[in-house]
Amino acid sequence: DSGVTQTPKHLITATGQRVTLRCSPRSGDLSVYWYQQSLDQGLQFLIQYYNGEERAKGNILERFSAQQFPDLHSELNLSSLELGDSALYFCASSAGTRPSWHQETQYFGPGTRLLVL
Amino acid sequence: EDKVVQSPLSLVVHEGDTVTLNCSYEVTNFRSLLWYKQEKKAPTFLFMLTSSGIEKKSGRLSSILDKKELFSILNITATQTGDSAIYLCAVSGNEKLTFGTGTRLTIIP
Repeated sequence: DSGVTQTPKHLITATGQRVTLRCSPRSGDLSVYWYQQSLDQGLQFLIQYYNGEERAKGNILERFSAQQFPDLHSELNLSSLELGDSALYFCASSAGTRPSWHQETQYFGPGTRLLVL
Repeated sequence: EDKVVQSPLSLVVHEGDTVTLNCSYEVTNFRSLLWYKQEKKAPTFLFMLTSSGIEKKSGRLSSILDKKELFSILNITATQTGDSAIYLCAVSGNEKLTFGTGTRLTIIP
């Protein structure tokens, strides 16, 4: 158990809908990262937040957005869902205390499995 | 575009064998290379490598980085069935972490 929690565990929804995935980082961690893992594309970095502010952006679609709240939990919002958005969405956290996040180990949550029908 | 390539894609060996997993990369502004083990759920961290030629070791697992040739290897000795998993290599650079597609390792008792 990494200490990172994600809810819900599974989510089934229809195309065109909007969902929100929630992540609570390990106690004390300031940085949160979101990843998408699909069968054909492997693990893809989406976005990183540090202490409430966006720090880095990866392959995140415009239909997706995220935020990190004052209590450091984060939410990933996926809208206008398409079949291809079906994937496992991971949240990871790291301490955020090193000068660069590259120097920090990321601890992954159990993931949210999203199925778009 | 940053690229991480892992080989082999899949490996099946008998318990007790030694395996070597490979990771090569092309990344601008390389900062670190990480190895993760993914079983049924989330990836779990194994190693972070930042310097060439320095072996990191944890029990039967070890890893080394060659920044000149742009690759890393992960060795597992005396494999056990619990080592069966997907092993992911990731490289950080350009403000993001790029993952390879992984090597699926299966250990037969």
